[in-house]
Amino acid sequence: GAVVSQHPSWVICKSGTSVKIECRSLDFQATTMFWYRQFPKQSLMLMATSNEGSKATYEQGVEKDKFLINHASLTLSTLTVTSAHPEDSSFYICSALRQGRGYGYTFGSGTRLTVV
Amino acid sequence: AQSVTQPDIHITVSEGASLELRCNYSYGATPYLFWYVQSPGQGLQLLLKYFSGDTLVQGIKGFEAEFKRSQSSFNLRKPSVHWSDAAEYFCAVGATLEYGNKLVFGAGTILRVKS
Repeated sequence: GAVVSQHPSWVICKSGTSVKIECRSLDFQATTMFWYRQFPKQSLMLMATSNEGSKATYEQGVEKDKFLINHASLTLSTLTVTSAHPEDSSFYICSALRQGRGYGYTFGSGTRLTVV
Repeated sequence: AQSVTQPDIHITVSEGASLELRCNYSYGATPYLFWYVQSPGQGLQLLLKYFSGDTLVQGIKGFEAEFKRSQSSFNLRKPSVHWSDAAEYFCAVGATLEYGNKLVFGAGTILRVKS
């Protein structure tokens, strides 16, 4: 089946530093990946759509300069939270879209980011 | 753009009782519909999905869902709930390529199972 690996599972960083989160599709190629943010006891909010070889498409209200997305290959998308602040603390989840046979969205296990 | 409504924030059922979680969607074309389950601090696991064809869809763990176009609904059901089913359940609607293949989630329903 389709597997997506997200790393790290959790990270604690100091305010003002940057953090990179990786999302890899292990057994399929994903031209499209998605990044979500989930606050405690809330649903998943789509932050951006990551397209291989092109710029990411950000949802309204998401700061593209703060949340840098790179999708340099068909199996890897990264989300970098730049100049992190405590309000960026959250649970970030990626999803990879499998096209064609076996169409569907496969999710990573999420990254718990805590900014201190 | 698509949207999803899950009207029940919390539901409590007794172990062994039947379960129905409600989901209504809004989308201008034939939707791709999904149900996911999430345990605390974990990612999402796909329970089932509907793209086309038979409107009654069978999923994992004994779950099923029925697509009703006239009601714009995709309710999740299970005939007998187990304590291990306690989790949060999300209904989602996926868009086609012209809308960026986006997957949008409902607010979620937290299921509690009492013994």
